[in-house]
Amino acid sequence: AQTVTQSQPEMSVQEAETVTLSCTYDTSESNYYLFWYKQPPSRQMILVIRQEAYKQQNATENRFSVNFQKAAKSFSLKISDSQLGDTAMYFCAFSDPANAGNMLTFGGGTRLMVKP
Amino acid sequence: DTGVSQDPRHKITKRGQNVTFRCDPISEHNRLYWYRQTLGQGPEFLTYFQNEAQLEKSRLLSDRFSAERPKGSFSTLEIQRTEQGDSAMYLCASSPTGQGWAGELFFGEGSRLTVL
Repeated sequence: AQTVTQSQPEMSVQEAETVTLSCTYDTSESNYYLFWYKQPPSRQMILVIRQEAYKQQNATENRFSVNFQKAAKSFSLKISDSQLGDTAMYFCAFSDPANAGNMLTFGGGTRLMVKP
Repeated sequence: DTGVSQDPRHKITKRGQNVTFRCDPISEHNRLYWYRQTLGQGPEFLTYFQNEAQLEKSRLLSDRFSAERPKGSFSTLEIQRTEQGDSAMYLCASSPTGQGWAGELFFGEGSRLTVL
C-alpha cells in the first residue's frame, strides 16, 4: 500500500517570503501522479499543482512550484511571494492510475500560516 | 458547472441515530468518491463509484456504513447507529475518466458530522 508522509505539522512564513513544504511517499509503482491540495479554513479542498511521475521536469503554477525527486520519493512544494490568502492546510497526495479508480492517498497535512 | 455539492453541511445527532449525507457531483463526472477527514488529519478513502457501480470499499467502511449511487448521478452515504467515533467531516469528490484527465479529484465542501 502507498503511504504519504508530511513531516511538518505546522509552518509559518512572513508575507512576501518563500516557504517550502515537504512530502515523502512510498510506492513500488513507476507510473503515478502526485498532487498538492490546499484546504482553507472551512472551505473546500482545491488543487494547487500536480506532477506526473514520468515527467522529469518539475511542475510550476505561477507562485507554486515543486521539487520532484523520484529516486528519493520526495515531492516538496515551494510557495514564492507568500500571500495572506495562502494561509491554509496543505495536503500532499498520491494516486496510482491502476489502483481503485485513481483514488488519492493523502498525507497528514501541513498547516501554513502567512503572517503580515 | 456548479461544482460538487454536499448536503447537509453540518449534522448534529445523538449516538445511536441514523444519518444520511447526499453528494451531487459535477454533472459530466462518472466517478464519485467518499472520504472521511477527522480534525487535523488528511482525508481517508472510504469508497468510490464508477457510474452506479460501487467498485471499491475501504476497510474503514464498517457494516454500519452504506453508500449508494442509484442512477449514476447523486450519491448518498448512510451511517446507521452512529457512534461518537463517527464524528468527522465526510468529503465527496468526483472526477471524469479517459484521455486528457490527469488524476485530479474535485471536492465538495464536506458534511460535518457531530455525534453527541
